[in-house]
Amino acid sequence: QKEVEQNSGPLSVPEGAIASLNCTYSDRGSQSFFWYRQYSGKSPELIMFIYSNGDKEDGRFTAQLNKASQYVSLLIRDSQPSDSATYLCADGRIYGQNFVFGPGTRLSVLP
Amino acid sequence: NAGVTQTPKFRILKIGQSMTLQCTQDMNHNYMYWYRQDPGMGLKLIYYSVGAGITDKGEVPNGYNVSRSTTEDFPLRLELAAPSQTSVYFCASVNDYNSPLHFGNGTRLTVT
Repeated sequence: QKEVEQNSGPLSVPEGAIASLNCTYSDRGSQSFFWYRQYSGKSPELIMFIYSNGDKEDGRFTAQLNKASQYVSLLIRDSQPSDSATYLCADGRIYGQNFVFGPGTRLSVLP
Repeated sequence: NAGVTQTPKFRILKIGQSMTLQCTQDMNHNYMYWYRQDPGMGLKLIYYSVGAGITDKGEVPNGYNVSRSTTEDFPLRLELAAPSQTSVYFCASVNDYNSPLHFGNGTRLTVT
């Protein structure tokens, strides 16, 4: 049974700071990981995905994957109040299995 | 492209009533999923389909049924609605292994 764990938060950071969101997964065979942002009452929207060990940067967002430690993280630089949302980490599909989502971390960026 | 379309957006049901939540996608995706999300909680998989005519149970299938007669459509049927089925329901689809899910806008269901 695949599992994905996240700290539920809330994680509060001041505007302009770096927000660090963490996620661990149980399936050593997992190959793909996704970060979704979900505003209250809305559907999840894709922020980043990562398949390889190391860092992947896209604008203010950096995803980090460490397969040896089974650890995925999302860094948000220069955090803005509009980044306040719940961030979902997902272990993607492999060989026909299904996405497994973590419970999400609620981020609050304080102006 | 419309992507994944869910109807209705909102619905209130009385206990014991039935309804069908509609989901259609225009991206020719083989894989489709139904999730429910209770307030303040994560997504739980109800049912999924890997192609037309093939469906399988997810983590929380009790009280629901699905069908997949076409690639585009994946309706979710609630029989004998119960208050425990009050939730937001999301439909999602994906084209290939290790690709990101595309979500619909959700259906907010209240059973009273």
